[in-house]
Amino acid sequence: LAKTTQPISMDSYEGQEVNITCSHNNIATNDYITWYQQFPSQGPRFIIQGYKTKVTNEVASLFIPADRKSSTLSLPRVSLSDTAVYYCLVGEWNYGQNFVFGPGTRLSVLP
Amino acid sequence: DAGVIQSPRHEVTEMGQEVTLRCKPISGHDYLFWYRQTMMRGLELLIYFNNNVPIDDSGMPEDRFSAKMPNASFSTLKIQPSEPRDSAVYFCASSGQVKNIQYFGAGTRLSVL
Repeated sequence: LAKTTQPISMDSYEGQEVNITCSHNNIATNDYITWYQQFPSQGPRFIIQGYKTKVTNEVASLFIPADRKSSTLSLPRVSLSDTAVYYCLVGEWNYGQNFVFGPGTRLSVLP
Repeated sequence: DAGVIQSPRHEVTEMGQEVTLRCKPISGHDYLFWYRQTMMRGLELLIYFNNNVPIDDSGMPEDRFSAKMPNASFSTLKIQPSEPRDSAVYFCASSGQVKNIQYFGAGTRLSVL
């Protein structure tokens, strides 16, 4: 299983762009990079998934360099409601590589 | 769709008692997952099902834990007998064919006294 490393915590202010970088040096060829968000007292929620280059949806963007050894989740103009734990996951269930939730990054958005 | 529905939301029981957690997955989803979350160990996969059949139960901590999925719309996770170290939040999730994208329920917070 690909091991991921991401910062334990980050602080930001409302209106700023937040970038959370995840390292996954031993990512396998079939692995996808998936990010989840978890608010207090709720279950994790899927945000975005990518394989290479850039993926964007209504919530976030995901940047993946050519070597795929890292990825960056970008949250544009955060608000207080974006305060949550963000998990970077690497794996591909359909190839038997179940992903493992690590400690994640605890993002605190300040007014 | 109402999403994944778990019950109860909170459960307080005494050591030695049987505990049953319930989950209704999203209609049409083929996969169902049970996770446990604690401060010390984070979010751990316990077991998952495909079309009601258990596929991987290697995360089930011991024989006191059992899970069933009698039909496509219902699953249970049972702990018998319960112990204080089982106190955690238990999540159920379901997915379609793309298992990387899972939809989680609100969880059941279990406290074993």
